[in-house]
Amino acid sequence: AQTVTQSQPEMSVQEAETVTLSCTYDTSESDYYLFWYKQPPSRQMILVIRQEAYKQQNATENRFSVNFQKAAKSFSLKISDSQLGDAAMYFCAYREGSSNTGKLIFGQGTTLQVKP
Amino acid sequence: NAGVTQTPKFRILKIGQSMTLQCAQDMNHNYMYWYRQDPGMGLKLIYYSVGAGITDKGEVPNGYNVSRSTTEDFPLRLELAAPSQTSVYFCASSYRDRGRVNHYGYTFGSGTRLTVV
Repeated sequence: AQTVTQSQPEMSVQEAETVTLSCTYDTSESDYYLFWYKQPPSRQMILVIRQEAYKQQNATENRFSVNFQKAAKSFSLKISDSQLGDAAMYFCAYREGSSNTGKLIFGQGTTLQVKP
Repeated sequence: NAGVTQTPKFRILKIGQSMTLQCAQDMNHNYMYWYRQDPGMGLKLIYYSVGAGITDKGEVPNGYNVSRSTTEDFPLRLELAAPSQTSVYFCASSYRDRGRVNHYGYTFGSGTRLTVV
């Protein structure tokens, strides 16, 4: 069974600095998708960025980028120029590419604190 | 465009009571899901549906039931509530073309915080 592990329960960063959140996963599949979701105190699940496993190029969305290492099964999220609004819980998630279910498998989450 | 709407937002149940969590989407998505999020943890799949009339168990289905009589609605039923069901419940939906592998528009509702005392 696939698993997703986030080994950092909490992280903090100074405003305007850069922070990297770690995620590792375990799968025997070759086709899959990886996601980072942001959950602010409002509880809303917000998609930050997604990565298709067949793409070698790392995904980027404005200040958010990933370092996707397929062989190492690692998928870290880098937040540049951190802002107070980035404070939230961040979840790494996995979905099988060939899955008929669309099921997402989540990591335990990392709480990010942004200090002014 | 409302997206995925969940009601209620908060609820306190006594042990042994039953209730239905409502979920509706207006995006004509064929896939719908129920997840639960325990404190400090990620979301786990309870049930999912690939279309009206079709449902299947996820990772943690015990103590729950679902139905999907229409494309829009996917209610989650809790029978004989237990303290272990204290959690935040999220409904989500997505669209997938038949024969294709990608899901589009994966959207979450704002969640229902349920406390069983």
